Amino acid sequence: ETGVTQSPTHLIKTRGQQVTLRCSSQSGHNTVSWYQQALGQGPQFIFQYYREEENGRGNFPPRFSGLQFPNYSSELNVNALELDDSALYLCASSRSSGGAGETQYFGPGTRLLVL
Amino acid sequence: GEDVEQSLFLSVREGDSSVINCTYTDSSSTYLYWYKQEPGAGLQLLTYIFSNMDMKQDQRLTVLLNKKDKHLSLRIADTQTGDSAIYFCAESTLNRDDKIIFGKGTRLHILP
Repeated sequence: ETGVTQSPTHLIKTRGQQVTLRCSSQSGHNTVSWYQQALGQGPQFIFQYYREEENGRGNFPPRFSGLQFPNYSSELNVNALELDDSALYLCASSRSSGGAGETQYFGPGTRLLVL
Repeated sequence: GEDVEQSLFLSVREGDSSVINCTYTDSSSTYLYWYKQEPGAGLQLLTYIFSNMDMKQDQRLTVLLNKKDKHLSLRIADTQTGDSAIYFCAESTLNRDDKIIFGKGTRLHILP
């Protein structure tokens, strides 16, 4: 039990739609990172937010965007969904940014299926 | 570029030791991790090692790092059925936006 929760647990969308995934971090954790884990693959870094601002981004197009709120919750938004967006989306929270090795606590993930 | 490679499958008899191997390419890697993922669950950090260390032991887990060869291994002593999971090797560096680079995972299967 990491204290990080995500909602919903599962979601089905169709191509072209938009989706919002939510994450609730541990209290006191100022940093949230989002990862995409396709079937049979390791997680891939999407982006990180620190104190409500984007603080690093992986190789994902701009239709992947995020928000972080002062109450330790955050969102991942994906516009114009494509079939390849089907994956498990994981959020991870940590106390501070800039500390590689700072323990990141992962949530259970949201499994998104795009038809 | 940054890449982490690991074998996809490993079968071990219950009670034996499991050794999962991993190689990485980024010579500036600062931290190396082992994560465990059970079916339907998120990632659990098992252990991590700083790049200036050779070995770290934590109960049944032993991590060995050969920085020259960029090789990392995880040894699980006295493997139990509860150890059945996917194990991800991962690395991060201080100069790279804090993102963690993961391998594709090794599925550990326990034989009775």
